[in-house]
Amino acid sequence: NAGVTQTPKFQVLKTGQSMTLQCAQDMNHNSMYWYRQDPGMGLRLIYYSASEGTTDKGEVPNGYNVSRLNKREFSLRLESAAPSQTSVYFCASIWTSGTATDTQYFGPGTRLTVL
Amino acid sequence: DQQVKQNSPSLSVQEGRISILNCDYTNSMFDYFLWYKKYPAEGPTFLISISSIKDKNEDGRFTVFLNKSAKHLSLHIVPSQPGDSAVYFCAASEETSGSRLTFGEGTQLTVNP
Repeated sequence: NAGVTQTPKFQVLKTGQSMTLQCAQDMNHNSMYWYRQDPGMGLRLIYYSASEGTTDKGEVPNGYNVSRLNKREFSLRLESAAPSQTSVYFCASIWTSGTATDTQYFGPGTRLTVL
Repeated sequence: DQQVKQNSPSLSVQEGRISILNCDYTNSMFDYFLWYKKYPAEGPTFLISISSIKDKNEDGRFTVFLNKSAKHLSLHIVPSQPGDSAVYFCAASEETSGSRLTFGEGTQLTVNP
């Protein structure tokens, strides 16, 4: 059981370049999330997918797109990277139902630097 | 606006003593509260949670207290151990399922031997 995996671990981009951050989970979770963490700030939600085939904007979606490829995989794309997108990106997943409470499981993060 | 705030960026305590981490929130729709612990170069890991219908939840050395009228929660760690040194994030959700979390800024806890 690998849990939540993210690739790559590190990436350096030049302004204007594009890239896709990959996330996969093997816990059969239905919901998946992308967060970014900046110094002195908590994790902020970029996009989430409550179930396969659906995606919704979070608190800071501008400059990003997402794809829920299947139940296991949820990717985050930067079409034209900007220095303001320098951050650590975390993917998370959770099994959500109407009444049960659970917790989000996080991947190890991708450290992205945009020059 | 910052709906979840942790006003202390850092806290230093001696091994064996109590650590108290605080968190305030403004959104009265929050229904479920969690604490996550984060080591450097790792993702956050779940520590303990509390539903809005309770005012206390214990799990071993960790206890979370919720004061809904004051919109305040705290995490108590007793006794503190050097391995507890990490960044602690308070998080809240409007949904009891624990989805769509709003995080505080985090508090760096250092436990000195």
